[in-house]
Amino acid sequence: GAVVSQHPSRVICKSGTSVKIECRSLDFQATTMFWYRQFPKQSLMLMATSNEGSKATYEQGVEKDKFLINHASLTLSTLTVTSAHPEDSSFYICSASRAGANVLTFGAGSRLTVL
Amino acid sequence: GENVEQHPSTLSVQEGDSAVIKCTYSDSASNYFPWYKQELGKGPQLIIDIRSNVGEKKDQRIAVTLNKTAKHFSLHITETQPEDSAVYFCAAARNTGTASKLTFGTGTRLQVTL
Repeated sequence: GAVVSQHPSRVICKSGTSVKIECRSLDFQATTMFWYRQFPKQSLMLMATSNEGSKATYEQGVEKDKFLINHASLTLSTLTVTSAHPEDSSFYICSASRAGANVLTFGAGSRLTVL
Repeated sequence: GENVEQHPSTLSVQEGDSAVIKCTYSDSASNYFPWYKQELGKGPQLIIDIRSNVGEKKDQRIAVTLNKTAKHFSLHITETQPEDSAVYFCAAARNTGTASKLTFGTGTRLQVTL
């Protein structure tokens, strides 16, 4: 089956630093990946759609200069939280689907804590 | 854009009883409705999905029904077990055959008690 891996699973950083989260499709190629953010006891909110070889499409209200997305290959998308602040602390989750398929597989999530 | 509402927000049932979670959606063009189970500290896992060309789908103890006219769909879990305890999310999307942008409901925390 389709497997999506995220790394790191947990990260703690100081305010003002940047953090990179990786999302990999392990056994399939994904031309599109999605990045979600989830605050405690809340639903998943779509942040952006990551497209291989082109710029990401961001949802309204999501700062593209703060949340940098790079989808450089068919198996890897990265989310970089730049100049992180405590309010960026959240659970970040990616998802992907096989090219031509329409079922999304989610990663296990990455919990970011900004001190 | 799409708006998905989900009820109830919390649900407690005794082991062996059934659990029902309901969702409504706003975009009549949505045609793909997955349900996800999320355990604490983990990503969502797809448990069942339904497309708009069918009204019901069943997989062992789990079933989903869809009413396109009323724009609502429901998850039914029968013979609940403690390991069913988790947060369940419904979602809706316009599925064009490629990766779909999902809109999630607000989630239902299901607690199955012994």
